Amino acid sequence: EVQLVESGGGLVQPGGSLRLSCAASGFTFSSYEMNWVRQAPGKGLEWVSYISSSGSTIYYADSVKGRFTISRDNAKNSLYLQMNSLRAEDTAVYYCAASGYDWWFDPWGQGTLVTVSS
Amino acid sequence: SYVLTQPPSVSVAPGQTARITCGGNNIGSKSVHWYQQKPGQAPVLVVYDDSDRPSGIPERFSGSNSGNTATLTISRVEAGDEADYYCQVWDSSSDHPGVFGTGTKVTVL
Repeated sequence: EVQLVESGGGLVQPGGSLRLSCAASGFTFSSYEMNWVRQAPGKGLEWVSYISSSGSTIYYADSVKGRFTISRDNAKNSLYLQMNSLRAEDTAVYYCAASGYDWWFDPWGQGTLVTVSS
Repeated sequence: SYVLTQPPSVSVAPGQTARITCGGNNIGSKSVHWYQQKPGQAPVLVVYDDSDRPSGIPERFSGSNSGNTATLTISRVEAGDEADYYCQVWDSSSDHPGVFGTGTKVTVL
């Protein structure tokens, strides 16, 4: 079964850091480009970051550039998002999602909630 | 950056047809993908590459894309289709290429 499972979310104070993980199984993780997508409470979907299958190409949304770092470990079938200098507006459910060959997102993980609050 | 605009809400009676639009500058030149998201759940891909359906998605879901508007059509709407729907493109000319539409809440009357 193809599966993505996020972990690492939680409550963090403004200015703090958090590292999210996404564990992949049921498919050849090293062949897939990966993304992080977030959804603030009651809001729409926002693409956050992309990493190519080898890790050589990376993109970020302007809202997180310079604060978040995406990475992957193909040997561990895992994707990561290091989040620094967190702000209240980063509060959201964070999903990892694989990219299809024409840049659709499928499958998705179940999401992990990040709350930035004092 | 590229912007995708959707109507906030669409209401439809059971058995009727729902049409959800996604507007963007020359969107017809891009591949458009659609997601369904029910409360408390992760999004699910329902249409990719404008009009193709992943396995397991009913034929009632179809898509089209031309000019400045892409459309997701849900035929013979069922109560279980009530959800939020998002369009998405990849703007390869940008260094922040992932773009989602604003989302549309489909209500089944």
